[in-house]
Amino acid sequence: EAQVTQNPRYLITVTGKKLTVTCSQNMNHEYMSWYRQDPGLGLRQIYYSMNVEVTDKGDVPEGYKVSRKEKRNFPLILESPSPNQTSLYFCASAAGQGAYEQYFGPGTRLTVT
Amino acid sequence: GEDVEQSLFLSVREGDSSVINCTYTDSSSTYLYWYKQEPGAGLQLLTYIFSNMDMKQDQRLTVLLNKKDKHLSLRIADTQTGDSAIYFCAEPFSGGYNKLIFGAGTRLAVHP
Repeated sequence: EAQVTQNPRYLITVTGKKLTVTCSQNMNHEYMSWYRQDPGLGLRQIYYSMNVEVTDKGDVPEGYKVSRKEKRNFPLILESPSPNQTSLYFCASAAGQGAYEQYFGPGTRLTVT
Repeated sequence: GEDVEQSLFLSVREGDSSVINCTYTDSSSTYLYWYKQEPGAGLQLLTYIFSNMDMKQDQRLTVLLNKKDKHLSLRIADTQTGDSAIYFCAEPFSGGYNKLIFGAGTRLAVHP
C-alpha cells in the first residue's frame, strides 16, 4: 500500500529536550516536505526536499532541522524544542517537480511543556 | 506573496448541499486543489481543477472556478455525516518546488 508514515503519532516533551520525528514514504517520491498545522493558520511549510541531499527552507524553518540521506526518509529534528513549537506536524511527498498530488502522513501531535 | 482565504466554519443539515468558498491570489496558478482532512488523519486530495476549466463535477462534488474574481468553490450535494471534516483550498506556490499554499481550512459540521 502506497503511504507516508510518521512516528511518533503523539509526543509530549519538555523544553530543550532534543527530539526527532521520522517520516518515510514507499512511493519512490523525489519531493518531501514538512508542514505544521495550527488553528486558524492552515498548513505552513517548514522545510522541503527536492531529492536526496537537497533540502531548503520553507516559510517557518526557525527552530527546525531536516536531513535527506535516503530518498524514502525525511526526518524532522527539533534540537531544542520550545512551547511555541507545540503543533500538529505533517509530512508529505510528491512524485517530483510538477506533480500535482501530495500524499500526507497521518500527522504527529507534539506538545512541548 | 500568495494568499488563500477561506471561511473557518460551515454547518449544514444532513441531506442539504454544502458550499465551501475560497479566494486565492495567484492568477497564474495552473491547478487549484481541494484537500480533505478527516478527524485524526492527514490530508487527502479530494479533487482538483485545471485553470482552463470553469467547472468540474465528480459524483457529489462540484468545483466551480471564477478566474476573473479568483474565486473557487466546492459544492457537496446530499451532504452526509461522513462528509464532516476540514476542507482545505490550496494553490501552487508561484516559485514551483511542488509547494502548496493552503487556506486556513473550513470545518464542515453536518447535523441531523
